[in-house]
Amino acid sequence: DGGITQSPKYLFRKEGQNVTLSCEQNLNHDAMYWYRQDPGQGLRLIYYSQIVNDFQKGDIAEGYSVSREKKESFPLTVTSAQKNPTAFYLCASSMGDDSYEQYFGPGTRLTVT
Amino acid sequence: EDKVVQSPLSLVVHEGDTVTLNCSYEVTNFRSLLWYKQEKKAPTFLFMLTSSGIEKKSGRLSSILDKKELFSILNITATQTGDSAIYLCAVEATGNQFYFGTGTSLTVIP
Repeated sequence: DGGITQSPKYLFRKEGQNVTLSCEQNLNHDAMYWYRQDPGQGLRLIYYSQIVNDFQKGDIAEGYSVSREKKESFPLTVTSAQKNPTAFYLCASSMGDDSYEQYFGPGTRLTVT
Repeated sequence: EDKVVQSPLSLVVHEGDTVTLNCSYEVTNFRSLLWYKQEKKAPTFLFMLTSSGIEKKSGRLSSILDKKELFSILNITATQTGDSAIYLCAVEATGNQFYFGTGTSLTVIP
């Protein structure tokens, strides 16, 4: 089955630790995205990548880092520099920049204490 | 299993038509329901609904929630070509967990 997966569904970390969220897609999509969803707010774009080995900052990239070494994978690292990391993180992919049809993963709920 | 289901999957209408998009959900510990409009960029937040029967309006768009029957509708009146987009529905559960539907693709023909 084609799709986009994120793991784990729930993640708990201590403050000061970096944590990496996984996002994998087998849809052969060129573009991948990371969003953050907080209660009472809309989705906010953290980073996106239109092609392997290339990525751009979104609206709230500070405290986050990404890599795109493979087309299928776009891991997001939440660093200790992120001041408010507890949130729901959503990964998405699309065929390319001309396509607005994004496929969303199930999300990862990160709690940092 | 918690889920959000949107219908129809896609819709093609002519300018000036009125459309109704549906979102049904089965989510434990419901907190709110959100609607987004997605074009060639990050989804744009439209509405957040928490109470049954209270319509929210923004211009030609309106939405209402029925917590007894577990669904919401998004209405767009006098549609324009600029309304062409994918409309996403999401439900927030307690613990800041979110469940997204797959979206309804709306195409408005001039």
